Amino acid sequence: NAGVTQTPKFRILKIGQSMTLQCTQDMNHNYMYWYRQDPGMGLKLIYYSVGAGITDKGEVPNGYNVSRSTTEDFPLRLELAAPSQTSVYFCASSYGGTSGFTDTQYFGPGTRLTVL
Amino acid sequence: AQKVTQAQTEISVVEKEDVTLDCVYETRDTTYYLFWYKQPPSGELVFLIRRNSFDEQNEISGRYSWNFQKSTSSFNFTITASQVVDSAVYFCALSDDNTGKLIFGQGTTLQVKP
Repeated sequence: NAGVTQTPKFRILKIGQSMTLQCTQDMNHNYMYWYRQDPGMGLKLIYYSVGAGITDKGEVPNGYNVSRSTTEDFPLRLELAAPSQTSVYFCASSYGGTSGFTDTQYFGPGTRLTVL
Repeated sequence: AQKVTQAQTEISVVEKEDVTLDCVYETRDTTYYLFWYKQPPSGELVFLIRRNSFDEQNEISGRYSWNFQKSTSSFNFTITASQVVDSAVYFCALSDDNTGKLIFGQGTTLQVKP
């Protein structure tokens, strides 16, 4: 199993550009998450999904959009990039099941995004 | 409000020393889960342990051990005989069953010198 994979690893955007961060998991997990990690900080939840076709906002959703058309994929879309979105983005997944949101989340390697 | 505090920002030890990373949490939930993750210099987040609020037994996994004390709302992590490869940022986290998020502490940077 590859686990959780993310592409790209690095990206530089200009202000106002848009891009999609890709996330794929091969563990047949129901739940998927997007977090951002700012320098010297812990992670903050952007969006999450409990299954295909179901998404919901997390703590810091402004400026982002998500979709979940399949169990495996959970892309994160940045529209009109701003310098405040410079961060490291992590995708995570968990089985869910009877443990729901308390199940262990497994993280991808991250995408380092810089907006200039 | 739910909160995780890791008061130690940075710790530096010499190889083979034991080191304890502190984690204090706040929650109103009666059932909750606590986690520790390791973030090595390469940047990925590595899962170390998940512990539920009903199980206060200490856990040991090789050189790693965890001390969960509900009475003091603490979930401390000890590395015995530290090694250079233990150098990383360590995060303690609390699960929020309502919102789906993990509430992370600020992290403790551990530097193990040879």
